[in-house]
Amino acid sequence: GNSVTQMEGPVTLSEEAFLTINCTYTATGYPSLFWYVQYPGEGLQLLLKATKADDKGSNKGFEATYRKETTSFHLEKGSVQVSDSAVYFCAQSGGLTGGGNKLTFGTGTQLKVEL
Amino acid sequence: GAGVSQTPSNKVTEKGKYVELRCDPISGHTALYWYRQSLGQGPEFLIYFQGTGAADDSGLPNDRFFAVRPEGSVSTLKIQRTERGDSAMYLCASSLEIGETQYFGPGTRLLVL
Repeated sequence: GNSVTQMEGPVTLSEEAFLTINCTYTATGYPSLFWYVQYPGEGLQLLLKATKADDKGSNKGFEATYRKETTSFHLEKGSVQVSDSAVYFCAQSGGLTGGGNKLTFGTGTQLKVEL
Repeated sequence: GAGVSQTPSNKVTEKGKYVELRCDPISGHTALYWYRQSLGQGPEFLIYFQGTGAADDSGLPNDRFFAVRPEGSVSTLKIQRTERGDSAMYLCASSLEIGETQYFGPGTRLLVL
């Protein structure tokens, strides 16, 4: 079945450091890919998405590119801030099985940004 | 505008009891999803509705779990004979149509003692 694998946390960075959180997926067909973020005490929020190969999603300085050849959707940010501290979830939906857009999530990666 | 709301925010119950969790989707959203998130894990799909009908309930763990959406808006997730293993955060999401972005509510944290 469909699955998502993302790097384990916590990831601890200094402010202004470069961030990469790796995410790979297995799927039948070509799913849509997402990054969701969960800030402390808040609900899941969509950060960015990409719906087809080579698409780049971007938001709030974060970027991720849908790489079909490596089945990856790595999250990057050039310069993190303390306010980026949160748990980040990679997710996929759809593919050949459709599934009505139900999301399959990774286990989440906690990011801590320190001054 | 108002987002997805869920009530209660926290629910503590005893093993064997019945519980109901409510979800109010964003107005006009036709699709509604339930997920369960255990501590340290990502959300796992339970069931989704298109309008009033359950289009896919393949994620429900067993027949103690049931969900309804009688008027195509509010949904209730019902758990009978609760077990300690049911303790988790229950998340609801809605989308304008199938295939559109899902917007999540804050969740209901269920604790079964």
